[in-house]
Amino acid sequence: NAGVTQTPKFQVLKTGQSMTLQCAQDMNHNSMYWYRQDPGMGLRLIYYSASEGTTDKGEVPNGYNVSRLNKREFSLRLESAAPSQTSVYFCASSDSGGPYEQYFGPGTRLTVT
Amino acid sequence: RKEVEQDPGPFNVPEGATVAFNCTYSNSASQSFFWYRQDCRKEPKLLMSVYSSGNEDGRFTAQLNRASQYISLLIRDSKLSDSATYLCVVNNNSNYQLIWGAGTKLIIKP
Repeated sequence: NAGVTQTPKFQVLKTGQSMTLQCAQDMNHNSMYWYRQDPGMGLRLIYYSASEGTTDKGEVPNGYNVSRLNKREFSLRLESAAPSQTSVYFCASSDSGGPYEQYFGPGTRLTVT
Repeated sequence: RKEVEQDPGPFNVPEGATVAFNCTYSNSASQSFFWYRQDCRKEPKLLMSVYSSGNEDGRFTAQLNRASQYISLLIRDSKLSDSATYLCVVNNNSNYQLIWGAGTKLIIKP
């Protein structure tokens, strides 16, 4: 099993460009998440999907959109990238039966210039 | 006050020593607690869940103190490979969100 996979691993964007970060999991988990991690701060939840067909905002959703394409895939889109979105982005998944332990992908390092 | 607070460290500890971290949380209704480990430039990985009765996994022991609202992690006989950032994580079971501490950096020195 690959677990949680993310593409791309690295990306550099210019301000105003758009891109989509892809995430897939093969653990048959119902719930999926997108986080960002900035130096000196805890992981902050951007959006999550409790189950296929649903998405909800997390702590820092502004500037992002998500799509839960099917049970396996959950994508994150930046419509108009800003330097403040320079960060490391992690996708995670969990079995919604609790206790909500989450399993992470390797991350995408995004720089917006 | 942050919902989950940790001493950022770094803790510089000689190999073979015992080291302990604490983490405090603000929501008294929190139900689930975890320690994750994150290596430099890698993803967080679950180290252990923290149960009310405390739990041990080899050299690692986790404790929960609900009255004082903190959880602890004890590492005995520390190894060079234990060098990492340890993340304290809390879930209050009201939704699917985990609340993450900023992490405590541990450096084990030979």
